[in-house]
Amino acid sequence: SAVISQKPSRDICQRGTSLTIQCQVDSQVTMMFWYRQQPGQSLTLIATANQGSEATYESGFVIDKFPISRPNLTFSTLTVSNMSPEDSSIYLCSVHLWVTDTQYFGPGTRLTVL
Amino acid sequence: GENVEQHPSTLSVQEGDSAVIKCTYSDSASNYFPWYKQELGKRPQLIIDIRSNVGEKKDQRIAVTLNKTAKHFSLHITETQPEDSAVYFCAASKRRVSPGTYKYIFGTGTRLKVLA
Repeated sequence: SAVISQKPSRDICQRGTSLTIQCQVDSQVTMMFWYRQQPGQSLTLIATANQGSEATYESGFVIDKFPISRPNLTFSTLTVSNMSPEDSSIYLCSVHLWVTDTQYFGPGTRLTVL
Repeated sequence: GENVEQHPSTLSVQEGDSAVIKCTYSDSASNYFPWYKQELGKRPQLIIDIRSNVGEKKDQRIAVTLNKTAKHFSLHITETQPEDSAVYFCAASKRRVSPGTYKYIFGTGTRLKVLA
């Protein structure tokens, strides 16, 4: 498996501001993903972030709202822009390891927007 | 569109009994089916998975079965223990040609309660 960390672990933000979430992996990975998990709900894929290419966004998610960076094979950021209370959720990064051909999740960032 | 249906949404069993959770997927191109366990406030943890070339896989008290023809797969937990209480998510995945990555579609989750 991989050791995945996220910062911050939680935050409370004001409406209209932006928050950048960091995801760090202890090994080089090609595929990283960002998910949103609303309270009591399942996981919804926001985008796929491959190093060296633009992030691919899923239906309902746009780059202006959720810009993503992937500067190297061990790190990615997700920014939640111009936040509203509807953005309150847990945001998880995950990685796909080719060695095991499986997906592993980070610990998540719990975001509350007031 | 692509989706994964998961049933039941909640399941209560007595300790020592078996639990079964079922998922049905829509995309016949899906070829990898992991199961994740998520305890309250924790990240989803991979507990078992199965690939499309296998019909059944077992790991101690947990097993997964796959029926490709019917496009459904199931998680079986035997001799349940209180620590099995959690939310379980199934997922269906396939390799996407562009941009050369995988896409995972998750089920809606099953809250399992094991009663002591």
